[in-house]
Amino acid sequence: KQEVTQIPAALSVPEGENLVLNCSFTDSAIYNLQWFRQDPGKGLTSLLLIQSSQREQTSGRLNASLDKSSGRSTLYIAASQPGDSATYLCAVKKTSGSRLTFGEGTQLTVNP
Amino acid sequence: DTAVSQTPKYLVTQMGNDKSIKCEQNLGHDTMYWYKQDSKKFLKIMFSYNNKELIINETVPNRFSPKSPDKAHLNLHINSLELGDSAVYFCASSQPGTGGTIQYFGAGTRLSVL
Repeated sequence: KQEVTQIPAALSVPEGENLVLNCSFTDSAIYNLQWFRQDPGKGLTSLLLIQSSQREQTSGRLNASLDKSSGRSTLYIAASQPGDSATYLCAVKKTSGSRLTFGEGTQLTVNP
Repeated sequence: DTAVSQTPKYLVTQMGNDKSIKCEQNLGHDTMYWYKQDSKKFLKIMFSYNNKELIINETVPNRFSPKSPDKAHLNLHINSLELGDSAVYFCASSQPGTGGTIQYFGAGTRLSVL
C-alpha cells in the first residue's frame, strides 16, 4: 500500500528566502507525481506534474524534482513571497487510471 | 469561468438527515472523482467515475452513493448523516492520456454534521 509523507508539516520563512518542501513515497512504482497548492477554505490548484520518466519540472519560481529509486520528490520555491503562503500537497499515482494518494501537506507561511 | 464547480460551498445539517452535493465540470473530461479531506487535512479518494461508469470505489459506508447522470456531472448523495461525516469534500476531474494527467479540483464543500 502506497504511503506518502511530507516533511516538514509546517514551515515559516521570511519573504525572499528560497525553500524546499519534501515528499517521500514508499512504493517507487509510480506513474506520475503531482504537486498541489491549497489555499485556506479553497480547492486544490495543480502546480506541477512529473511523469515517472522525468527528473524535474519547472514553472516560474517553482521547481519540482523526482527521484523514483529513492522514493522522493522535492518542491523548490525560489524568492518566496507572502502570496506563496498556502498548504502544499504532493500526490502520487500508481497507474494511468488509478487514484491519487496524497501526503498530509506542508503548511507554508511566508512573512513580509 | 469555473472549470470544476461544486454546490453548495457550505452545508450544515443535523445527524440522520440525507443530503446531496453536486459537481459539474466544463472541461470535457471523461473522469471525475470525489475526495474527502478530514480535520487533519488528509485527502482520501472515495469514488472515481470514467464516462459515467464507476472505476474506483474505496471502502466507504454504503450511506455514500455517487450518481453520474452524464460525464460532466458527478453528484454525491449521503444518507443518514453521522458526526464523523463532517469534513470537506472535493470533486475533481481529469482526462486520461498517455502524457500524464492533471486532476483539476473544485473549491470543496464543507459539511458540518451537528
